[in-house]
Amino acid sequence: EPEVTQTPSHQVTQMGQEVILRCVPISNHLYFYWYRQILGQKVEFLVSFYNNEISEKSEIFDDQFSVERPDGSNFTLKIRSTKLEDSAMYFCASSPGTEVYGYTFGSGTRLTVV
Amino acid sequence: AQKVTQAQTEISVVEKEDVTLDCVYETRDTTYYLFWYKQPPSGELVFLIRRNSFDEQNEISGRYSWNFQKSTSSFNFTITASQVVDSAVYFCALSGTSHMDTGRRALTFGSGTRLQVQP
Repeated sequence: EPEVTQTPSHQVTQMGQEVILRCVPISNHLYFYWYRQILGQKVEFLVSFYNNEISEKSEIFDDQFSVERPDGSNFTLKIRSTKLEDSAMYFCASSPGTEVYGYTFGSGTRLTVV
Repeated sequence: AQKVTQAQTEISVVEKEDVTLDCVYETRDTTYYLFWYKQPPSGELVFLIRRNSFDEQNEISGRYSWNFQKSTSSFNFTITASQVVDSAVYFCALSGTSHMDTGRRALTFGSGTRLQVQP
């Protein structure tokens, strides 16, 4: 069964550093997403990406964050100048098209900012 | 705005008991999808079910069943004869489709219900 792959599974970074979280969505999917889950809390939407541009973003997704699909297969989330409160599990997801089905999550990257 | 409420923060049952997890949602979209995900201690999100707003038939999959009541905006999840392996956090989520051209399919999650099944 096709999977959404996220790397690394766990990343530790120092406050103020930049991090890039990587995702390989399912190959024929058209919509890509990033979600965040602070430990013990609910999963929160960050951003959706379609046709090489952001289609929607939440209030969490401020100028500190950016997304990119650099090579047609990878989908990255960059966090500039990380803060302690950015520590969370970050999930990538993808879906195939106009119907909301086949919405597949990756296994997540746990980001720890120290 | 969309909202999903899971009022039960934590439920503890003994193995073989039946347990129902409640989910109540709010949306102005005429077409929407409801989901349940399981998050075991390992942290990944495991898809359980997707239901669209036009399909109110209840669904059963093994020990799992779902009761969708549009009249009360609820989408409850029942585990029959619970097992220790069912211990996890369960999330209900909602996605609307009123902005299909903009690709707004973001999921709105509830706060989750932690289920502990004791042996």
